[in-house]
Amino acid sequence: AQSVAQPEDQVNVAEGNPLTVKCTYSVSGNPYLFWYVQYPNRGLQFLLKYITGDNLVKGSYGFEAEFNKSQTSFHLKKPSALVSDSALYFCAVSVYSSASKIIFGSGTRLSIRP
Amino acid sequence: ETGVTQSPTHLIKTRGQQVTLRCSSQSGHNTVSWYQQALGQGPQFIFQYYREEENGRGNFPPRFSGLQFPNYSSELNVNALELDDSALYLCASSGGTGPPSGANVLTFGAGSRLTVL
Repeated sequence: AQSVAQPEDQVNVAEGNPLTVKCTYSVSGNPYLFWYVQYPNRGLQFLLKYITGDNLVKGSYGFEAEFNKSQTSFHLKKPSALVSDSALYFCAVSVYSSASKIIFGSGTRLSIRP
Repeated sequence: ETGVTQSPTHLIKTRGQQVTLRCSSQSGHNTVSWYQQALGQGPQFIFQYYREEENGRGNFPPRFSGLQFPNYSSELNVNALELDDSALYLCASSGGTGPPSGANVLTFGAGSRLTVL
């Protein structure tokens, strides 16, 4: 069975500082990994994904994530946080199959203080 | 291109009633997935529809059922509502001309918030 864990319910960062939101996963086989963001009263928006190839993936709004197979992690990072980055972030995992069964973590609330 | 639209945005039902939620997929997408997001939690996969048939299901009882129509729009039906069914129900479309893949990006609607009293 596939699963994903986000160990931090909340991450607080000062504007301009680097941020990291952690994610670890468990799957049988090669994973497909995703990050989505959710703003209040909105659906989820896609940020980036790892399918294969370069372990460092760049996405929307200056975010990037690093795939680490040995640590089964896919942490989300940004070099310089903005107040507008404050939102709920979800890591997600799936595997190659005939269904796009993407499993989401419990979410991490990112709060950027001015 | 139009995004994913869901209706209604909010609704209140009483325990034991039935509800139907509707979703129009993004233009060009042939697959629809439904998720339940309880307050403070991540989305939980309910099921996916492709070619008008269920193509994968999560750990939800049979009183959760769905349909997909030839235009790729979809419905989620929940019978015998329980208090724990109160949640935000998210529809996501994906894919193109080919079959679903775990690598496909999901495009989400804004959700339907269901309150069961």
